Amino acid sequence: DAKTTQPPSMDCAEGRAANLPCNHSTISGNEYVYWYRQIHSQGPQYIIHGLKNNETNEMASLIITEDRKSSTLILPHATLRDTAVYYCIVRDPNQGGKLIFGQGTELSVKP
Amino acid sequence: DAGVIQSPRHEVTEMGQEVTLRCKPISGHDYLFWYRQTMMRGLELLIYFNNNVPIDDSGMPEDRFSAKMPNASFSTLKIQPSEPRDSAVYFCASSLWGSSGALSYGYTFGSGTRLTVV
Repeated sequence: DAKTTQPPSMDCAEGRAANLPCNHSTISGNEYVYWYRQIHSQGPQYIIHGLKNNETNEMASLIITEDRKSSTLILPHATLRDTAVYYCIVRDPNQGGKLIFGQGTELSVKP
Repeated sequence: DAGVIQSPRHEVTEMGQEVTLRCKPISGHDYLFWYRQTMMRGLELLIYFNNNVPIDDSGMPEDRFSAKMPNASFSTLKIQPSEPRDSAVYFCASSLWGSSGALSYGYTFGSGTRLTVV
């Protein structure tokens, strides 16, 4: 699976959009981009995933660059409850079920 | 659905004792995963099952660790004998192979078992 690079930490003001970047320059054609988050003391929570097109759901939007070498997770109106560690993971779902977590980005949403 | 259910939530045991962690996946899910999380090493995949069959146990740290899935609704992770360095939060997760042939659905994690070995 391709490796990802994320900033270790970010701050965001409550009510503002949180834009979390992820670099995955070695991504291959069959690999999807997945985002998960982990709120303190809880299990990781699935947010969104995509292959090449931008995706949106009730939690967030995922913007993938045209060359697919990077992506951005957007939380449009961050709340204090969005404070968590956010993980960007790249994997080919047809190559087995493994999901390997890196260190992620610790997002702090401040009032 | 009640989600992935893990028990116990907390476990404190003495070094050398056997510890058994339990997991009930979401009904209908065909993949089950065991992860361990520590401050030093983050989230590590220990083992995963597909249709109750172990597929990859390369993350199991040593022979003291074993995992079983006797049926589609139950899995155990056993540590015997336990050591202080096994102290961690252990997560179970389950997932479903999508109808498109790809694992397109997200994993659902349980709340974890916090294990402390003294």
